Amino acid sequence: QKEVEQNSGPLSVPEGAIASLNCTYSDRGSQSFFWYRQYSGKSPELIMFIYSNGDKEDGRFTAQLNKASQYVSLLIRDSQPSDSATYLCAVIKAFTGGGNKLTFGTGTQLKVEL
Amino acid sequence: GAVVSQHPSWVICKSGTSVKIECRSLDFQATTMFWYRQFPKQSLMLMATSNEGSKATYEQGVEKDKFLINHASLTLSTLTVTSAHPEDSSFYICSPKGYDNSPLHFGNGTRLTVT
Repeated sequence: QKEVEQNSGPLSVPEGAIASLNCTYSDRGSQSFFWYRQYSGKSPELIMFIYSNGDKEDGRFTAQLNKASQYVSLLIRDSQPSDSATYLCAVIKAFTGGGNKLTFGTGTQLKVEL
Repeated sequence: GAVVSQHPSWVICKSGTSVKIECRSLDFQATTMFWYRQFPKQSLMLMATSNEGSKATYEQGVEKDKFLINHASLTLSTLTVTSAHPEDSSFYICSPKGYDNSPLHFGNGTRLTVT
């Protein structure tokens, strides 16, 4: 079982729709959860982070965390063509003293169609 | 967000040569530096973690003698790919972390092509 799992996609949504990206993780002790957006050939950029169960909203983005189900999601409202990218879910496991290492999923490719 | 400068952004080198990649944190002190590698269509894989002034910790399967990491100051870390081979061609990305637990940011990455 992969430590962080994502559907590779592509996930296609029409412009203006809600895109829902999902991620599951295997380590129940994981503490911090991140969503990154990566355009082709570019470095990842941080979209959102969430530490506590529930929803966290930032503009068009909402991160949802359910630690009991080991599930984190990202909702993108009013999707735009510029949102087309690969979205990486990343997790920091329970702190082990070696620094906060991120473990990444393989990413979900999102395509927002006109 | 944090300002991270990574150079060069791309490099082409011949097999057997060495390439040095620099990563600078411009507006904070990076006590820890993470170095990642990403092959096409794959996710980021952590290569090594370094703390300022001490030796790097390498992930399983990453050769420490091939990928030399120096983290001599709180604002600069370097990754040197020694005796590069075509299979080392990849996208290398640094991620510095400061004293606090702020979400991690990344450098712009270095596209290495070994011919």
